[in-house]
Amino acid sequence: GDSVTQMEGPVTLSEEAFLTINCTYTATGYPSLFWYVQYPGEGLQLLLKATKADDKGSNKGFEATYRKETTSFHLEKGSVQVSDSAVYFCALSGRGGADGLTFGKGTHLIIQP
Amino acid sequence: DTAVSQTPKYLVTQMGNDKSIKCEQNLGHDTMYWYKQDSKKFLKIMFSYNNKELIINETVPNRFSPKSPDKAHLNLHINSLELGDSAVYFCASSQLSSGALDTQYFGPGTRLTVL
Repeated sequence: GDSVTQMEGPVTLSEEAFLTINCTYTATGYPSLFWYVQYPGEGLQLLLKATKADDKGSNKGFEATYRKETTSFHLEKGSVQVSDSAVYFCALSGRGGADGLTFGKGTHLIIQP
Repeated sequence: DTAVSQTPKYLVTQMGNDKSIKCEQNLGHDTMYWYKQDSKKFLKIMFSYNNKELIINETVPNRFSPKSPDKAHLNLHINSLELGDSAVYFCASSQLSSGALDTQYFGPGTRLTVL
């Protein structure tokens, strides 16, 4: 079945550092890929998405590129802020979209001032 | 103007009780979902409903039953609650088009604690 693997956390960085959170996936067909963010005590918010190979999703300074050849969708940001502290989830959609999302286990990001 | 709302936000109950969590979306979406997030933050799909029909049911115990009175609501009813049911439950919705998954919008979650 489909699966998503994320780097384990917590990831602790200093403010203004460069961020990479790795995500790789296994799926049949051509899934859409997503990054969701969960701030403390809140629900999930879509951060960015990509629906086909070589697409780049971007939002709030975060970027991720859909790499079919390496089955990856790594999240990057050039300069993180304390307000970026949250749990980040990589996810993919199943066939036809009706299967719901398959999530990775989440990466807890902690940004220190 | 909350897009996806859930009630209650917190639910504390005794083992063996029956409880319901309500979900409503005002986005006009045709598909709604329930996810369970365990204590380690792992999220897993439980159910999805499209136009009032159950599409998938991911090996959840039959004590859990989704009920959809209309396209805008998908409630989760749980019978005979067990300690292991303690988790955060998220409702979500999306608009399926051309067989492709559009963005899923999530509710704020319901934290269920079974004592």
